[in-house]
Amino acid sequence: DAGVTQSPTHLIKTRGQHVTLRCSPISGHKSVSWYQQVLGQGPQFIFQYYEKEERGRGNFPDRFSARQFPNYSSELNVNALLLGDSALYLCASSPGQIHQPQHFGDGTRLSIL
Amino acid sequence: EDQVTQSPEALRLQEGESSSLNCSYTVSGLRGLFWYRQDPGKGPEFLFTLYSAGEEKEKERLKATLTKKESFLHITAPKPEDSATYLCAVLDRGSTLGRLYFGRGTQLTVWP
Repeated sequence: DAGVTQSPTHLIKTRGQHVTLRCSPISGHKSVSWYQQVLGQGPQFIFQYYEKEERGRGNFPDRFSARQFPNYSSELNVNALLLGDSALYLCASSPGQIHQPQHFGDGTRLSIL
Repeated sequence: EDQVTQSPEALRLQEGESSSLNCSYTVSGLRGLFWYRQDPGKGPEFLFTLYSAGEEKEKERLKATLTKKESFLHITAPKPEDSATYLCAVLDRGSTLGRLYFGRGTQLTVWP
């Protein structure tokens, strides 16, 4: 079975631009979460969606937004990119029950010049 | 204030030399503790979930245990392929559905 897939794998942008990252969850998983991982640190929670509704938001500015589609895939959008947005962006999916583990994709490496 | 603290930050072991990684947490109530393995350039790979103090889980050379304040990941007779960063994450009872709090990880290197 296919795991969580993310696209693109790498992306280079300049300050002020916007970016859209995409995620396809494991088949049958209804919950998708987004995390940001800066080099040398653990992932930090950005958003969580379940059944197409936002269920949680971390301490990130409004430049970050996301949505989930009827097929449970998801997009993360970041506007007005800053140098500090350079990171690995991870998507995780789970069936939806809170006790069930989240399974991660290999992320999108975003570099801001 | 960090809710999850992992130690040591880095650990070098010779092949066959057993050791333990520590994850201490401060949350109002633990709903679950998760261990992940992350290889360079990859996403975290799920290893274990622990839900209550006293619980233990095993997988090959890895064994995870949980107390009320911390979790240990024991590695028995490690091999070079066990080299990776091991991440610990907690699910707080007060958090929204699915919000994991991660530690910074322990970078494990096993040399032949």
